[in-house]
Amino acid sequence: KNEVEQSPQNLTAQEGEFITINCSYSVGISALHWLQQHPGGGIVSLFMLSSGKKKHGRLIATINIQEKHSSLHITASHPRDSAVYICAVKNFGNEKLTFGTGTRLTIIP
Amino acid sequence: NAGVTQTPKFQVLKTGQSMTLQCAQDMNHNSMYWYRQDPGMGLRLIYYSASEGTTDKGEVPNGYNVSRLNKREFSLRLESAAPSQTSVYFCASSEAQVTSLAKNIQYFGAGTRLSVL
Repeated sequence: KNEVEQSPQNLTAQEGEFITINCSYSVGISALHWLQQHPGGGIVSLFMLSSGKKKHGRLIATINIQEKHSSLHITASHPRDSAVYICAVKNFGNEKLTFGTGTRLTIIP
Repeated sequence: NAGVTQTPKFQVLKTGQSMTLQCAQDMNHNSMYWYRQDPGMGLRLIYYSASEGTTDKGEVPNGYNVSRLNKREFSLRLESAAPSQTSVYFCASSEAQVTSLAKNIQYFGAGTRLSVL
């Protein structure tokens, strides 16, 4: 079973700061999924990537397959970015996801 | 375009009662999933359905049954609810094509918060 670990578990930062959230996994994967869970509970997909880097607005996701590690960066953070960010990995040969426990991000104005 | 719709949003049950959580998607997705989310734990897969008429157990299937009624709908049934089933339940769907990364993205419903007393 793939073990997925996220760090930090909780992160509080001032508005405008550059944010980095990390995800490590134990077994090789076919893809990695970053999701955002809003304070109201809804979950939305941010990125799915299998190599390199993806960017969407102020969000950047990178993955290093050799090191089994991914990072999610937020530039110019804003209070509306406050949410739980969840990493999930897709194992080879099946469509199931294994999820990390999430990183709770709070951005203070 | 509604995406993935779950009902109900909230439910309180007594131990031993039964209920069905409903899920429907309007994106013509092949695969559908039921997860539970508990404090301090990642989302855990209860059951999934790779296509209409097929279902498979996930990580935590005990105490649950599912039914893939058609391509749109995937329901989760608790036959005899227990306090350990108090959780937030999420339904998700994806097109799940092996050849396309984007088509493996899972889309989630808003969740059902269930309390079993």
